[in-house]
Amino acid sequence: SQQGEEDPQALSIQEGENATMNCSYKTSINNLQWYRQNSGRGLVHLILIRSNEREKHSGRLRVTLDTSKKSSSLLITASRAADTASYFCATALNTGGFKTIFGAGTRLFVKA
Amino acid sequence: DGGITQSPKYLFRKEGQNVTLSCEQNLNHDAMYWYRQDPGQGLRLIYYSQIVNDFQKGDIAEGYSVSREKKESFPLTVTSAQKNPTAFYLCASSAAMGADYGYTFGSGTRLTVV
Repeated sequence: SQQGEEDPQALSIQEGENATMNCSYKTSINNLQWYRQNSGRGLVHLILIRSNEREKHSGRLRVTLDTSKKSSSLLITASRAADTASYFCATALNTGGFKTIFGAGTRLFVKA
Repeated sequence: DGGITQSPKYLFRKEGQNVTLSCEQNLNHDAMYWYRQDPGQGLRLIYYSQIVNDFQKGDIAEGYSVSREKKESFPLTVTSAQKNPTAFYLCASSAAMGADYGYTFGSGTRLTVV
């Protein structure tokens, strides 16, 4: 597996349901970030969680980080059709220098 | 409003041509990056720059070149040496290199070889 690998690859839910996406990584990190990308557009930064944090909230978003399992999850509550997008996790590696790696993303489709 | 502007949105390149993608930011960010995105895949780093007049190769730099003569600008040239240039190119910036800085992305340039 790669550093920053999202699961599932695709997710289809009804409006109003919660959506959970997971990210696993292999090496020690400084932080983990989640981004959203609408089709054909750039990525939008959603939330950053540091390696010494376990949970962060931003509006309807909840991110958890478990460094012992090298995994993170992004929960979107009460999803809306406008949440339809691809979601990427990015890991900033603790190598003493710069290295941020993006995963291949989870495609979320929210049906109205 | 502060942000990153990429142009053009769509670009068509003939075989053997060099083309340059523009990236301008007014966020006063020191660090800038170029990524390539292929369908259904994550982002792969082409080049990055920590500061004016300095840039470093990323994971897939072959066939690409950059310059960083101004803090605001980080243009990417796709040369004829890049054999498979058709992709979506994303420029990003961050306040600085290193930990705890999220990235701001432009809206991308879709390059197609014709």
